[in-house]
Amino acid sequence: NAGVTQTPKFRVLKTGQSMTLLCAQDMNHEYMYWYRQDPGMGLRLIHYSVGEGTTAKGEVPDGYNVSRLKKQNFLLGLESAAPSQTSVYFCASSPSGVSYNEQFFGPGTRLTVL
Amino acid sequence: GENVEQHPSTLSVQEGDSAVIKCTYSDSASNYFPWYKQELGKRPQLIIDIRSNVGEKKDQRIAVTLNKTAKHFSLHITETQPEDSAVYFCAEEDSNYQLIWGAGTKLIIKP
Repeated sequence: NAGVTQTPKFRVLKTGQSMTLLCAQDMNHEYMYWYRQDPGMGLRLIHYSVGEGTTAKGEVPDGYNVSRLKKQNFLLGLESAAPSQTSVYFCASSPSGVSYNEQFFGPGTRLTVL
Repeated sequence: GENVEQHPSTLSVQEGDSAVIKCTYSDSASNYFPWYKQELGKRPQLIIDIRSNVGEKKDQRIAVTLNKTAKHFSLHITETQPEDSAVYFCAEEDSNYQLIWGAGTKLIIKP
């Protein structure tokens, strides 16, 4: 049982390049989330999904797109990377959106945009 | 919009002493308040949570208290140990069941 995994662990991009971050979970969770973590700012929600085929915007969605074609996978895309997107990205999942559910996090992806 | 303020941003305590981290929130309808611990270079993990129908919850050396009237909740760690060194995040659950996070507190345990 791997829990939540993220690919890749590290990536360096040049401004304007595109990339996709992959999140996978094997816990059959309904909800999945993408966060970014910047120093002194805690975790900020980018997008989330309440089930296969659904996506919704979070607090900071601009510059990112997501897809949830399979229940176990949640992809985060950057179409044209900017230096302001340099951050650590965490994926998380939870059993459902019903209250009191623990969010399980992946190990994170450190992205640097030059 | 809803927000969570967390204080202090850095807390340094002597090993064996107690540590207290406080968070205030704005949404009076919030009913769920978790605390996550993030060790250096690791992922955040839930350590304790509290629901609005109770005022205090304990788990060994960790406790959380909630004051709904004043809209604040606190994390208490007693008899601190080196392995308690980490960044601690509080959060509140909004009306869409999403978590609104505090900015984090870096806890340093001095030997």
